[in-house]
Amino acid sequence: KAGVTQTPRYLIKTRGQQVTLSCSPISGHRSVSWYQQTPGQGLQFLFEYFSETQRNKGNFPGRFSGRQFSNSRSEMNVSTLELGDSALYLCASSPSTGNTYEQYFGPGTRLTVT
Amino acid sequence: GNSVTQMEGPVTLSEEAFLTINCTYTATGYPSLFWYVQYPGEGLQLLLKATKADDKGSNKGFEATYRKETTSFHLEKGSVQVSDSAVYFCALGGGGSGNTPLVFGKGTRLSVIA
Repeated sequence: KAGVTQTPRYLIKTRGQQVTLSCSPISGHRSVSWYQQTPGQGLQFLFEYFSETQRNKGNFPGRFSGRQFSNSRSEMNVSTLELGDSALYLCASSPSTGNTYEQYFGPGTRLTVT
Repeated sequence: GNSVTQMEGPVTLSEEAFLTINCTYTATGYPSLFWYVQYPGEGLQLLLKATKADDKGSNKGFEATYRKETTSFHLEKGSVQVSDSAVYFCALGGGGSGNTPLVFGKGTRLSVIA
């Protein structure tokens, strides 16, 4: 099975712009979670989608949003970018049966805001 | 709520040394426990898991035993290699909390020198 894929891998944006990141989960996985990773804050949970519905949400401002499509692919959007949004954004998918807490991560999208 | 505490790094070892990275958790019920590894420039990879008390997860020479009496899941390897240099994350899922996100520790950076 192909792993979790994320596009793009690298992105440079200017403060005030918006950005959309994409994630394709492992085939058959219906849950997709997003994380922000920075050197200072570590790994922080953004949100989780399951069958097109947001099931959990972390403590991030409303500028961070996401959605999931019927094929389980997910996108996250960050509007009005700030310098502090520079981070590695990781997407992870989980199986629908068995141990649903077992997450499989993509390689991440490295976002740099200048 | 659920939480994970793991030893702070960085940890620096010589090749073939014994590795222990401590991880303790707080949770209700019977959570699943995981160790993830992140190599430089990559996403997280699932290293091993345990789903019930006294289970031992193992992979690539790494082992961890789910100890409910001490609420611990310490990662061990008998003889580390330079290629094991990475950041290691302990994580917890479930435990009677319903559909809550996977909870990660802050990560422990391991450097192995030849």
